[in-house]
Amino acid sequence: DAKTTQPPSMDCAEGRAANLPCNHSTISGNEYVYWYRQIHSQGPQYIIHGLKNNETNEMASLIITEDRKSSTLILPHATLRDTAVYYCIAQSNNAGNMLTFGGGTRLMVKP
Amino acid sequence: GAVVSQHPSWVICKSGTSVKIECRSLDFQATTMFWYRQFPKQSLMLMATSNEGSKATYEQGVEKDKFLINHASLTLSTLTVTSAHPEDSSFYICSARALDRGPYFGPGTRLTVT
Repeated sequence: DAKTTQPPSMDCAEGRAANLPCNHSTISGNEYVYWYRQIHSQGPQYIIHGLKNNETNEMASLIITEDRKSSTLILPHATLRDTAVYYCIAQSNNAGNMLTFGGGTRLMVKP
Repeated sequence: GAVVSQHPSWVICKSGTSVKIECRSLDFQATTMFWYRQFPKQSLMLMATSNEGSKATYEQGVEKDKFLINHASLTLSTLTVTSAHPEDSSFYICSARALDRGPYFGPGTRLTVT
């Protein structure tokens, strides 16, 4: 599994876009980039995932660089409820494969 | 969307007793489920992979005789912490994979051993 590197913490003003970076320079061709978040004392919540094209859903957008060595999760209008630890994971999309969690980024949305 | 549930959400038990935690996939079948453990202010650590109808695969350092896993159906996996000790107090989280997207996680079970 490719190792991912994320900043340990970030702040964002409420209502502004939160841009969370992730480096995965050793990612292989069949590995997807997954993003999850974990609010205190809850299980991780799936946000989005992608292979090489940019993706968007009701929660966020995922921008993957052309060389796939890094990506950015964008929360377009952060709210206080978006305060959480965000995990970026590079993993092949195989039903038998577990997700390996790194340290994540602790996002603090401030009023 | 897919939902994974866990029961109980929290449990307090005395040292030396056993505790069973259930993980259910509510609207999809999961041939594989995963059990994680999370200590305060730390990331999730994979404990074992639970395969329906076969023995679980444990990560290095996880005692299979202490953490018994049973995946008897495509929607249910159980984790039993046997002879629990205070150091087993942790947040236990399961996940299950659906075919259409990445794993879904349960809400977690907080175990406190006194």
